[in-house]
Amino acid sequence: GEDVEQSLFLSVREGDSSVINCTYTDSSSTYLYWYKQEPGAGLQLLTYIFSNMDMKQDQRLTVLLNKKDKHLSLRIADTQTGDSAIYFCAENPGNTPLVFGKGTRLSVIA
Amino acid sequence: DGGITQSPKYLFRKEGQNVTLSCEQNLNHDAMYWYRQDPGQGLRLIYYSQIVNDFQKGDIAEGYSVSREKKESFPLTVTSAQKNPTAFYLCASSNPGSSYNEQFFGPGTRLTVL
Repeated sequence: GEDVEQSLFLSVREGDSSVINCTYTDSSSTYLYWYKQEPGAGLQLLTYIFSNMDMKQDQRLTVLLNKKDKHLSLRIADTQTGDSAIYFCAENPGNTPLVFGKGTRLSVIA
Repeated sequence: DGGITQSPKYLFRKEGQNVTLSCEQNLNHDAMYWYRQDPGQGLRLIYYSQIVNDFQKGDIAEGYSVSREKKESFPLTVTSAQKNPTAFYLCASSNPGSSYNEQFFGPGTRLTVL
């Protein structure tokens, strides 16, 4: 079955770049997503990438996709304390619910 | 202002009582979902519905029930058969016919069983 793996914790200093990594299993996924969850809240879609793209940049966010290795990463430039949250990677295996990773908790140290 | 609402935000119940969590969306989405979130466990799918009057079990459906009588509403009942119901519950919706098929999430309901 489908599975999405991500490391559980990441700690960075304010102003540094953060890189959150994810591996997925379904090569037919058309889109891959990054969601952000702040404490006590629901998930918000941060960005997504179409499977025929290698990279997508959106302000401080850069998504890299290596389709051969089924590896997705999210880079946050100039990380701020407001970026502290849980980040979820998700794949879209077709006409079924998205499959989410367990989330990476990003802690930003001032 | 379109979105998903969940109520209440916090819910306390005694052990052995059934409780129903509300989820409403005005996005005109066909599909709706319920997830449970426990610390370190990520999101686990309980039930989902792709069309009115139809729904499917997710990975952890035991002890839960749902109904989908209206497109905009997908209530979740946590029954007394659920062994460990204390958790954060998230509702989501999507439009599977759209290009991106992204899921939109509600703010969540934190259920505590005493």
